[in-house]
Order: sequence, then structure tokens, then C-alpha cells
Amino acid sequence: DAKTTQPPSMDCAEGRAANLPCNHSTISGNEYVYWYRQIHSQGPQYIIHGLKNNETNEMASLIITEDRKSSTLILPHATLRDTAVYYCIVSHRDNQGGKLIFGQGTELSVKP
Amino acid sequence: DTGVSQNPRHKITKRGQNVTFRCDPISEHNRLYWYRQTLGQGPEFLTYFQNEAQLEKSRLLSDRFSAERPKGSFSTLEIQRTEQGDSAMYLCASSSQPTIAKNIQYFGAGTRLSVL
Repeated sequence: DAKTTQPPSMDCAEGRAANLPCNHSTISGNEYVYWYRQIHSQGPQYIIHGLKNNETNEMASLIITEDRKSSTLILPHATLRDTAVYYCIVSHRDNQGGKLIFGQGTELSVKP
Repeated sequence: DTGVSQNPRHKITKRGQNVTFRCDPISEHNRLYWYRQTLGQGPEFLTYFQNEAQLEKSRLLSDRFSAERPKGSFSTLEIQRTEQGDSAMYLCASSSQPTIAKNIQYFGAGTRLSVL
């Protein structure tokens, strides 16, 4: 599985968009980008995933660059409840059993 | 609430004791995963089941660790002769059969183990 690089921490003002970057320069053509987040004292929660097209759901948007070497998770209107650690994971479609390989993630602090 | 239940939520034990954790996955999910998370780190994969079959074990899973999923429903993770280094959050996740385009895991809240 390709390795990901994320900034260790970011701040965002409440109500503003939070843009969380992820570098995955070694991604291969059949690997997907997944985003999970983990709120304090809870298990990780799936947010969104994509292969090469931009994706949007009720939680967030995922922008993947054309060369697929990086992506950005966008929380359009961050709230205090979005304070969490955000993990960017690259998952090969033939990953043995679908295990998730977590890095250290980005700790997002949403401030009033 | 994701629908994945883990018990107990907290466990304090003395070094050398055995402990067992339970995970009840979402009922229709045939995949069940165990992860371990230490402070400040992301979760690390331990093992997974496809129904009752344990198909992969990480090198992190020493011979003091054993996991079962006897009827393809709930799972247990047992740690024998606990060591202080076993102190961590143990997370369980479940999913339906992953496909090329979709591999979404639903996590429980975890069991926090403290070994004194």
C-alpha cells in the first residue's frame, strides 16, 4: 500500500471551510484514497473515498489531483464537532482482506 | 452509534493476568477486524475474520494473543499473561464483503486496556 503524508495539526475557525491535505506520491493506478476521522474517545469513522474523480457526500468533498499524487478533504462549514484526527489512507483494491493502514493523521482543531 | 459494540469499554488488570474482550459487529457483516491503538498513534491492524475463518494475522499479534469468531457473529480477543506494553485501545471494526470500489469499515468505540 502506498504511503501517505499529512500535516500533524491544523486549526480552522468555526463556520469556515477546513481543507486537509494529503500527499500520496507513490499511489498506483488501482489504489483508492480513503478518509476516516477519529473523534476523541471514539473509534474511527468513515468519511469518503475516491479513485480519481472528485467526490462529494453529506459529510465532505474529496478533491484528487489529476496526477493522483495528492488529495484534499474539504469540510465546507466546519463546526466544533468536527474537531478530530483525520486519517488519509491509500488502499490497494487487492489489499489482503481490506485491512486499513493508518498513519498518524492530522489533528484538526475547530475554534469558535 | 455505528452498530458495532465492544465490551468492556475499560479494563484494568495486573501484569500477568489474562483478559478477554468482546466485539459484536453489525449483524449482516461477514468481515470483522481487530486493531490496536496506542496514545498518539493511528490504529494498527491485528487480525481479521471472514465469517468464522481467521484469514490474516499481523506480526504484532504475538502468541499471547488469540482471537476467535466461533459462529461468524461476535468475536473475542484474549491476551494471556498481560504485559505493560499491552496497554492500548483495542478497536473492532466490521464490514460487508469489500469490493474493488468500496471497503468501508464501521468501528466500535473500543476497549481501553490498562496493565498495571
